[in-house]
Amino acid sequence: KQEVTQIPAALSVPEGENLVLNCSFTDSAIYNLQWFRQDPGKGLTSLLLIQSSQREQTSGRLNASLDKSSGRSTLYIAASQPGDSATYLCAGSNAGGTSYGKLTFGQGTILTVHP
Amino acid sequence: NAGVTQTPKFQVLKTGQSMTLQCAQDMNHEYMSWYRQDPGMGLRLIHYSVGAGITDQGEVPNGYNVSRSTTEDFPLRLLSAAPSQTSVYFCASRQGWANTEAFFGQGTRLTVV
Repeated sequence: KQEVTQIPAALSVPEGENLVLNCSFTDSAIYNLQWFRQDPGKGLTSLLLIQSSQREQTSGRLNASLDKSSGRSTLYIAASQPGDSATYLCAGSNAGGTSYGKLTFGQGTILTVHP
Repeated sequence: NAGVTQTPKFQVLKTGQSMTLQCAQDMNHEYMSWYRQDPGMGLRLIHYSVGAGITDQGEVPNGYNVSRSTTEDFPLRLLSAAPSQTSVYFCASRQGWANTEAFFGQGTRLTVV
């Protein structure tokens, strides 16, 4: 059974700092890993999808990496801004199994970027 | 470009009442799913569908029914609401079940009293 853990649970940084959010998973037979952002009371916004054949993906100030052998993914945010404050969730999708396409989510990291 | 649309956004039910949470997507995605989000439990899969006419159970299906008569719509029915079903419900869709990006709706916040 896939289990996903995110560390730290909460992070507070000053504006402009570069930061890394961590996601670890127990089953290396992961098909892909997706990072989401969730603002309070809102839905999930997809940030980056890394397929199992890829090592990393980039979008603007965001860079996500995937290392299947170590069971880890990281989300790097460059030059953080107050508007980046949100909860960041990672989710892994495994091939086949009892629930096709099921996303297994971590508990999330609550990020606060203060001016 | 609407994406995934959920209605209603908020709902209060009395114990024992039934209701349907609506979900529609306009991206012609084959795969749709329902999750519930609870504090300390994260997001958990309730039911999913790999295409019109095909549905299956996720990890927490008890008390919920689904059907998929069209590609666009995937409603979630609460048969007899219980306080344990108080949660935020999210509908998601993706082109296929693997290696494709998942898109989520804005959620339905349900309170059962």
